[in-house]
Amino acid sequence: DVKVTQSSRYLVKRTGEKVFLECVQDMDHENMFWYRQDPGLGLRLIYFSYDVKMKEKGDIPEGYSVSREKKERFSLILESASTNQTSMYLCASGVGSIYEQYFGPGTRLTVT
Amino acid sequence: ELKVEQNPLFLSMQEGKNYTIYCNYSTTSDRLYWYRQDPGKSLESLFVLLSNGAVKQEGRLMASLDTKARLSTLHITAAVHDLSATYFCAVTTYSGGGADGLTFGKGTHLIIQP
Repeated sequence: DVKVTQSSRYLVKRTGEKVFLECVQDMDHENMFWYRQDPGLGLRLIYFSYDVKMKEKGDIPEGYSVSREKKERFSLILESASTNQTSMYLCASGVGSIYEQYFGPGTRLTVT
Repeated sequence: ELKVEQNPLFLSMQEGKNYTIYCNYSTTSDRLYWYRQDPGKSLESLFVLLSNGAVKQEGRLMASLDTKARLSTLHITAAVHDLSATYFCAVTTYSGGGADGLTFGKGTHLIIQP
């Protein structure tokens, strides 16, 4: 079974803090993705990566950056957290361009 | 800008009834995905539809794709309580190096009552 894990299920941070959200997959997938999920808005793509050290912007990259130093790990970075970044963050991985993405359990981030 | 619209966004139905969720998208795509999300849980892949006319069935759920109409449907037959969940459709976009990010609809919150 594909397993995508995220470092924290719940996280509370203060405005202005630098926040790291970690995602690890164990299926040797080339592609990894970060989404945020907000009530009434569905899921929106923040960033994705198709190879180590490669990254592409999604719909809403502002205020975020990413890092992919190893194939299995994809990190989302909030350089200076703000309250409007309070959300559920979902990581996903996949292989190829036609197969489904497999999602991790999510990290619910609250910025106060 | 790619838009994906689902309707209805909220659906309450009784066990044993049939219903259809609709997913419209605004640009050409030949790949469409359906996911299920239970409260407090992550997304579970249900169907991947890869071509015009594709139809897939799993238990009481059947999904179809009409790329010319830019429409996918998720049909529920003889609903049971265990199918209560939020259902999302998604379309591929942002092709970069072989990876395709997904654009999701807002989701259909389905409640099936005994």
